[in-house]
Amino acid sequence: EPEVTQTPSHQVTQMGQEVILRCVPISNHLYFYWYRQILGQKVEFLVSFYNNEISEKSEIFDDQFSVERPDGSNFTLKIRSTKLEDSAMYFCASSAGQTTNEKLFFGSGTQLSVL
Amino acid sequence: AQSVAQPEDQVNVAEGNPLTVKCTYSVSGNPYLFWYVQYPNRGLQFLLKYITGDNLVKGSYGFEAEFNKSQTSFHLKKPSALVSDSALYFCAVSDNTNAGKSTFGDGTTLTVKP
Repeated sequence: EPEVTQTPSHQVTQMGQEVILRCVPISNHLYFYWYRQILGQKVEFLVSFYNNEISEKSEIFDDQFSVERPDGSNFTLKIRSTKLEDSAMYFCASSAGQTTNEKLFFGSGTQLSVL
Repeated sequence: AQSVAQPEDQVNVAEGNPLTVKCTYSVSGNPYLFWYVQYPNRGLQFLLKYITGDNLVKGSYGFEAEFNKSQTSFHLKKPSALVSDSALYFCAVSDNTNAGKSTFGDGTTLTVKP
């Protein structure tokens, strides 16, 4: 089965630093998503992206966050100035379509630790 | 607003026995319901979904789930558990057609003992 790949698997950064989390969605997919999972808590939707723009975002996705599809294959999440509370597992996902008829494919995540 | 409750943090079953992982939901419109499984160091994998139609939904790896509108439940079931089913299971609900904006439950850790 096709896979979404995420790099790095672990990222450690100092508070206030910028981080970029990278994702390679499945090649023919058109919809892209970021989620986060703080340790011991539920998976939370951050943002969805389609046609080179954000289609929906949650309250968590404030001005510190941005997403980009810089080329035809990568989908990145940037946190401009990391805070301690940004420490979490970040999952990327993609789907061929937006409707609930489509299946979401998730990456294995990037564990971000902010010190 | 939409929400999902998975009342059990942990479910333990013996291999070969039936398993049930519980999920209840709250949503203002029609519910779109999903189950995902997360193995250690892996991303979430889609198991099955309910959109419309038959209340009993069959999914991957022999899992099924029953949609019960009156009880607002979508419990995950399997007739005969395998040790390899041991993982973290998430129920999710969406109240619109955007599956990506689902609300996830807290997760239930399933342990199947030989």
